[in-house]
Amino acid sequence: QQKVQQSPESLSVPEGGMASLNCTSSDRNFQYFWWYRQHSGEGPKALMSIFSDGDKKEGRFTAHLNKASLHVSLHIRDSQPSDSALYFCAASEGTGGYKVVFGSGTRLLVSP
Amino acid sequence: EAAVTQSPRNKVTVTGGNVTLSCRQTNSHNYMYWYRQDTGHGLRLIHYSYGAGNLQIGDVPDGYKATRTTQEDFFLLLELASPSQTSLYFCASSETANTEVFFGKGTRLTVV
Repeated sequence: QQKVQQSPESLSVPEGGMASLNCTSSDRNFQYFWWYRQHSGEGPKALMSIFSDGDKKEGRFTAHLNKASLHVSLHIRDSQPSDSALYFCAASEGTGGYKVVFGSGTRLLVSP
Repeated sequence: EAAVTQSPRNKVTVTGGNVTLSCRQTNSHNYMYWYRQDTGHGLRLIHYSYGAGNLQIGDVPDGYKATRTTQEDFFLLLELASPSQTSLYFCASSETANTEVFFGKGTRLTVV
């Protein structure tokens, strides 16, 4: 069973709408979380990291972390067709950890 | 920008065949990873390394071997390829397990 679970599997939003993606970890050793985005035919690329409880905003993207519940979310405001991609949540342990574990992904489709 | 180069980009082999996937990073990163990507499973960690000569077992290691010959080079070996290993393989590198992971463009492997 994957230690990083993502929901929903797929999501469709209209252009200009808000997209909300979720990620839950089953391993309390995970302390560092990242969001990655993968466009068709490419490798994943990092969007943003979040290491502390609360919100982190970068442009139209806001990540939220709740370490107590091991829940991370990504919210995309004013979604654009270019945001259509596969989004991955990634987690790693704190000091001394070596693995980076990715979730199963959420496919986002933004319709014009 | 950090560079990770994979070769070949596409490979077809027969069941029981021998395959080596190559990866080189020019980032001077300590950590390197091999993932496989399959629909519904996201990115699953096969093997990883945190330095030349170091090897660690990932979450789906069965049927795979890996070797890290230098700081730059990380190889994935399939000695008796099976159709279940048909997948998209990504190599990646990072400075530590908690920093941004940089991916190559992927190798599509088909085992017939």
